[in-house]
Amino acid sequence: EPEVTQTPSHQVTQMGQEVILRCVPISNHLYFYWYRQILGQKVEFLVSFYNNEISEKSEIFDDQFSVERPDGSNFTLKIRSTKLEDSAMYFCASTVEGANSPLHFGNGTRLTVT
Amino acid sequence: QKEVEQDPGPLSVPEGAIVSLNCTYSNSAFQYFMWYRQYSRKGPELLMYTYSSGNKEDGRFTAQVDKSSKYISLFIRDSQPSDSATYLCAMRLNNAGNMLTFGGGTRLMVKP
Repeated sequence: EPEVTQTPSHQVTQMGQEVILRCVPISNHLYFYWYRQILGQKVEFLVSFYNNEISEKSEIFDDQFSVERPDGSNFTLKIRSTKLEDSAMYFCASTVEGANSPLHFGNGTRLTVT
Repeated sequence: QKEVEQDPGPLSVPEGAIVSLNCTYSNSAFQYFMWYRQYSRKGPELLMYTYSSGNKEDGRFTAQVDKSSKYISLFIRDSQPSDSATYLCAMRLNNAGNMLTFGGGTRLMVKP
């Protein structure tokens, strides 16, 4: 069964550094998402992306965050200047038809900001 | 009042038991309801996807939605040790794309 693939599985970075989290969505999917889960807290929506544009974003997704689909297969989340509170699991997800189809999540990247 | 609430557990049951997992929510505008299973160090895996009120069955899993009570349930029949995981409910508004609001998850342990 096709999977959403995320790399790296664990990323450690120093506060203030830029970090890029990478995702390869399922190949025929057109809608892409990032969610995050701070340890011990709920999974939270960050951003959705379709047709090379952000469709929706949450209050968490401020100017420090950006997303990009640099080529036909990758979908990236960039955090410009990481803070301690950015430490979390970041999940990428994709769907075929947006709201008409359910999300398929990757296994996440654990980001640790020291 | 929190938007979506789940008892965190852990819920411990013997193998073969019927498991009942529940969520309550405060926003009556939620229209789509989902249950995800999350194993340790893995992403959420979709189990059930329902629209509005009613029941949906898939194998050993049954999802129920009671919009009048703002209450959703997931039943697992003949529970297996492999069902041991965290179960997340999630829901969304009608025109909210896939902006899901999750519950905090219930940790289930099925003992052989």
